[in-house]
Amino acid sequence: DAGVTQSPTHLIKTRGQQVTLRCSPKSGHDTVSWYQQALGQGPQFIFQYYEEEERQRGNFPDRFSGHQFPNYSSELNVNALLLGDSALYLCASSLAAGGNTDTQYFGPGTRLTVL
Amino acid sequence: GNSVTQMEGPVTLSEEAFLTINCTYTATGYPSLFWYVQYPGEGLQLLLKATKADDKGSNKGFEATYRKETTSFHLEKGSVQVSDSAVYFCALTLYGQNFVFGPGTRLSVLP
Repeated sequence: DAGVTQSPTHLIKTRGQQVTLRCSPKSGHDTVSWYQQALGQGPQFIFQYYEEEERQRGNFPDRFSGHQFPNYSSELNVNALLLGDSALYLCASSLAAGGNTDTQYFGPGTRLTVL
Repeated sequence: GNSVTQMEGPVTLSEEAFLTINCTYTATGYPSLFWYVQYPGEGLQLLLKATKADDKGSNKGFEATYRKETTSFHLEKGSVQVSDSAVYFCALTLYGQNFVFGPGTRLSVLP
């Protein structure tokens, strides 16, 4: 049973550039959420995708956008990168139907460094 | 808004000691509560969860009880091992949306 996978593992960008991070959910899951985890802090919710639409959004600027594909995989895009965007970006998947809608499984993350 | 508060770390214990990591929450409605663990260089792993008042979640010797009257979900383990060294996050969600995490508590277990 494949768990949540993310790519790339590490990424280095410079200020002002754009970046795309990718996530494949756990097999059978249809909902994908993205989180930003700064060093030494807890994850902060960015947004959640279900049925290819953004369902919920945290307190992040419009520079952060996403997409979900028909196979439930997802991308996180960040435009006009700032130094403060350096963080571990985590993807989590869950199943909207049934009794476990609140249980999320996390991927290993993508470490983004902005220079 | 919804929030989670955890005891500040780091927590340093000797092997086989008793562990308690405190977690309290503020939420509108009746959240589901979680403990996640993060090992160095890895993502978060679900440790245990509870979905209603007085539920006890348990896994790998860890336990936590959903206390509505004190809005708490303290994590406990009777005898920690070196391999339990990690960062522990308390979290909540309402209806599977917009998870809120605490800041994390780093646990170091010494042999």
